Amino acid sequence: GAVVSQHPSWVICKSGTSVKIECRSLDFQATTMFWYRQFPKQSLMLMATSNEGSKATYEQGVEKDKFLINHASLTLSTLTVTSAHPEDSSFYICSARKGLVFQPQHFGDGTRLSIL
Amino acid sequence: TQLLEQSPQFLSIQEGENLTVYCNSSSVFSSLQWYRQEPGEGPVLLVTVVTGGEVKKLKRLTFQFGDARKDSSLHITAAQPGDTGLYLCAVYGSSNTGKLIFGQGTTLQVKP
Repeated sequence: GAVVSQHPSWVICKSGTSVKIECRSLDFQATTMFWYRQFPKQSLMLMATSNEGSKATYEQGVEKDKFLINHASLTLSTLTVTSAHPEDSSFYICSARKGLVFQPQHFGDGTRLSIL
Repeated sequence: TQLLEQSPQFLSIQEGENLTVYCNSSSVFSSLQWYRQEPGEGPVLLVTVVTGGEVKKLKRLTFQFGDARKDSSLHITAAQPGDTGLYLCAVYGSSNTGKLIFGQGTTLQVKP
């Protein structure tokens, strides 16, 4: 159990376009989802925490208007990279947590975003 | 400064060798997690250590939490090519929100 699915797994788009990434908890309800960014051979950096039905909380240095997060249901959170540029190219990973604060996070398989 | 310092950052060894990865901090933690991530995939939780001095084994992997709960180590015995990947330690941040903070990671390559 506790499967998290991300879609798409890989996307290439032109500079200036917006890209939406979906994160779904398939077999549990996720009150909280997290979005991470990972550059090659580096660790995961938390971008934002998303709670169902409320605004996301962004980490310091992450542009809220650039990375739009929506958590409209207990099984779906979306990350939209607006007006994407080559420097936004990265591996984006989501995770989902069932309930209490220190419950384990379950990670998706990531989305590789390449901006040309 | 990083909350969690992992070392080494890169490790390339031959199949059959042993290795140890370290995760150090000056802070005390209630628990610490180890993950493995393969290229193009999300991280997978290997173990959570909770008690100071605790040792947990997962097949050829041995995890230890320091007595003072400030550091941890991961030891792999007789490494195999399938052990290749990025190993990450992680702890919960101090804000009681359940946010995970990851170490820089150790990239392990095991050559056949």
